Amino acid sequence: SSELTQDPPVSVALGQTVKITCQGDSLRTFFASWYQQRPGQAPLLVMYGKNDRPSGIPDRFSGSSSGNTASLTITGAQAEDEADYYCNSRDSSGNHWVFGGGTKLTVL
Amino acid sequence: QLQLQESGPGLVKPAETLSLICTVSGDSISSTYYFWGWIRQPPGKGLEWIGSVYYSGNTYYNPSLESRVTISVDTSKNQFSLNLNFVTAADTALYYCARHVRTGTYFFDKWGQGALVTVSS
Repeated sequence: SSELTQDPPVSVALGQTVKITCQGDSLRTFFASWYQQRPGQAPLLVMYGKNDRPSGIPDRFSGSSSGNTASLTITGAQAEDEADYYCNSRDSSGNHWVFGGGTKLTVL
Repeated sequence: QLQLQESGPGLVKPAETLSLICTVSGDSISSTYYFWGWIRQPPGKGLEWIGSVYYSGNTYYNPSLESRVTISVDTSKNQFSLNLNFVTAADTALYYCARHVRTGTYFFDKWGQGALVTVSS
């Protein structure tokens, strides 16, 4: 399958923990990367590989993977984490890349 | 500091060709560690990978767009470009260029600010 399926909109109380998931057959083989997109801004890489954060991304962001599901967890969500989150990975052919449909995160 | 900047017409007529250039500064487009990619986002919708190019000219395209897309690289100008033929209103989107890391795992680590292209007569 070449599709990645993400959660519907999610909300989290300020300071609480939220997990956003991404499902797809190709995730059994390839790692996902995760992107945060705030309104009116370009996407920002927040997680890649097994559990790697780019420089400048707070350590409250973490990643994991099991079977066909990749997850992005925010431990102690902050107001500035309110955004759309997209996963991306290679498809099963390995020669194409695909984005999930995105998950809108609201911080209450 | 790496910067990517998209440029090109903001308005394209239906059935014509959408052409965008991404100018890379702060890094060499000839680096073996990277592809260089195009991603688009229709208004109010999600991200769609269009394709990626290696400095050698090798390309990878989204199968749903492959028949209409050409991505090329100009190492002398440190630029890469996108051509999308026979556009329709469905191609109206914010077009991003991005550095596509290929060091064992793959991800888009740096993005341009995006260029809005509207398809309309």
